[in-house]
Amino acid sequence: KNQVEQSPQSLIILEGKNCTLQCNYTVSPFSNLRWYKQDTGRGPVSLTIMTFSENTKSNGRYTATLDADTKQSSLHITASQLSDSASYICVVSEGNTPLVFGKGTRLSVIA
Amino acid sequence: GAVVSQHPSRVICKSGTSVKIECRSLDFQATTMFWYRQFPKQSLMLMATSNEGSKATYEQGVEKDKFLINHASLTLSTLTVTSAHPEDSSFYICSATPAGAVYNEQFFGPGTRLTVL
Repeated sequence: KNQVEQSPQSLIILEGKNCTLQCNYTVSPFSNLRWYKQDTGRGPVSLTIMTFSENTKSNGRYTATLDADTKQSSLHITASQLSDSASYICVVSEGNTPLVFGKGTRLSVIA
Repeated sequence: GAVVSQHPSRVICKSGTSVKIECRSLDFQATTMFWYRQFPKQSLMLMATSNEGSKATYEQGVEKDKFLINHASLTLSTLTVTSAHPEDSSFYICSATPAGAVYNEQFFGPGTRLTVL
C-alpha cells in the first residue's frame, strides 16, 4: 500500500529557531514529491516540488531535500517566524494517479 | 497566477438539505479539478476527479449520488452535497490542474467549512 509517513506529528519551537520536518514514503513508482503549507482553515499552498533527480530545492527560508534511494524527504525551515505556524504536508505523486498525502506535521512557532 | 477560489467559505445547514459548493480557477483553464474532504487533524482525502464535459470519477467509498459533481466549464466545478447529515460536516477543498501543467501540479482552493446541524 502506498503510504506517506511524516514526523513529528507536532512540533513547538521558539521564534527565530530552525527546524526540520521528516517524510518517509513507500509510493512506487515515484514521480515527484511536494511539500505544502496549510494554515488552519485554509487550503494547502505549494512550497516545493521535486522529481527523483533533484536532491534539494529551496523556496526562501524553506529548503526541501529528497533521497529517492531511501525514499526520504525533509523540509528545513530557517529562522522561523510566527507566521510559519501551520501544518506542513508531504505529498507524493506516482504521475497521473491520485496524490498520496501525509497527515502533516503541525508546527507552532511561539514568541 | 494559478488562483483557485471556493464559494462559500463557510456554510451551516439543517440536516436533510442540499448544499452546493463552487470551485473556480480564476486565471487559468483547468482541464481537471479535484474534490477533497478533510476531517480535523487528518490528511486530505480525495473524493473525486472531474474533467470538463465528462462524468466525475469517484474514489472508493464515496457515494456519487450523494456528492454530485458538475464540471460544466474549464473554470468551474461544483460539488453538491445532497440530503446532508451531521456526519457530512467537514472541510471540503477543491484543486485544479492547469492545462499543460508541469508534473500535473494541483492548485488548491481555500476550502469550504460545512457544518450540518
